[in-house]
Amino acid sequence: AQSVAQPEDQVNVAEGNPLTVKCTYSVSGNPYLFWYVQYPNRGLQFLLKYITGDNLVKGSYGFEAEFNKSQTSFHLKKPSALVSDSALYFCAVRDTLVSGNTGKLIFGQGTTLQVKP
Amino acid sequence: KAGVTQTPRYLIKTRGQQVTLSCSPISGHRSVSWYQQTPGQGLQFLFEYFSETQRNKGNFPGRFSGRQFSNSRSEMNVSTLELGDSALYLCASSLVGEGTDTQYFGPGTRLTVL
Repeated sequence: AQSVAQPEDQVNVAEGNPLTVKCTYSVSGNPYLFWYVQYPNRGLQFLLKYITGDNLVKGSYGFEAEFNKSQTSFHLKKPSALVSDSALYFCAVRDTLVSGNTGKLIFGQGTTLQVKP
Repeated sequence: KAGVTQTPRYLIKTRGQQVTLSCSPISGHRSVSWYQQTPGQGLQFLFEYFSETQRNKGNFPGRFSGRQFSNSRSEMNVSTLELGDSALYLCASSLVGEGTDTQYFGPGTRLTVL
């Protein structure tokens, strides 16, 4: 079964410092991986996704993610954090069915990013 | 393009009542998925509809049901509400809902059951 783990409940960084939010996955077959961000009382906003090929994926708001097949990881990164990046971040993997395609995403538990001035 | 819209944004119901939530996908999107978000359980998949057919279903009791219309708009219904149904219900749409197809989420409906 597909699964996603976000090992850190919270990540604290100072504004201007680089940030990393960790994600590891377990899939059978090709991994289709996604990062979303959620601000308080809002839905999820898409940040980026992994498409086979380039291991470094660039996304919205200066975020990027590094896909590492040997470590089954897909960590979210940003070179210089902003206070406005403080939010809840979710890593997700597309589920697969024996019967065929599915739109279901399996989410990690989420990581709260706190960026302090 | 307009994003995914969900109505209503907030609902307060009492135990035993039923509720219907609505989701309008992005124009051209044919796949609509529903998720329940709670502090304890996180984001859990409810079901997915594609071309008016339920394609996948999560681990929820039969009190949770949904449907999709020919214009891809979707509704979900929860009957005989329980306190534990209090949650943020998120709808997401995508073109066809497979592979690297991106799901775009609506703002959610906050359901409170008293």
